[in-house]
Amino acid sequence: AQTIHQWPVAEIKAVGSPLSLGCTIKGKSSPNLYWYWQATGGTLQQLFYSITVGQVESVVQLNLSASRPKDDQFILSTEKLLLSHSGFYLCAWSLWGGGQDTQYFGPGTRLLVL
Amino acid sequence: QQKVQQSPESLSVPEGGMASLNCTSSDRNFQYFWWYRQHSGEGPKALMSIFSDGDKKEGRFTAHLNKASLHVSLHIRDSQPSDSALYFCAVSAGNMGYKLTFGTGTSLLVDP
Repeated sequence: AQTIHQWPVAEIKAVGSPLSLGCTIKGKSSPNLYWYWQATGGTLQQLFYSITVGQVESVVQLNLSASRPKDDQFILSTEKLLLSHSGFYLCAWSLWGGGQDTQYFGPGTRLLVL
Repeated sequence: QQKVQQSPESLSVPEGGMASLNCTSSDRNFQYFWWYRQHSGEGPKALMSIFSDGDKKEGRFTAHLNKASLHVSLHIRDSQPSDSALYFCAVSAGNMGYKLTFGTGTSLLVDP
């Protein structure tokens, strides 16, 4: 069975500080990987997706970047946090990325920027 | 403007009752539809997908899709307190399968 792990569980950071969030998928080789952001009580906004190692596509610009250094790892980062970065960050995976492909979400990382 | 609108924003039903959630898209490129459920503090979980017009039933959950009107609904019968959560519909276009667009969400409360 596939498992998805996100770290850290929660972060409190200062405005202007750097950030790195991680996601690891176990039990599935070459998954498609995704990053989402969710404001408290709000909808989910897709940020990035990756089909293969080293390739990342940006969906929306939020002063964030993403990288996929390994087949099973997806990293979300920024050098300078903004207040607007606060929220819930979710990593997801899917099997083949076609229109009928279901995306499965991890437990999320809660970020508070002060 | 949000391309995927859900209604109502919030809904309260008694335990054992029927909950009905609605979702309408404004983009005819969207062909594939999902319902996700998110309990507080957790990541969303896929409840069911529906890709063809008509009804699809999975246990207590029934989805109905009308592609002509770009409308999908979710009906939960015999609602349980554990069904209390945020519900999202999500849509994708056939030629952009990687991009999933989520609706505005419906908060469901099942009163025991």
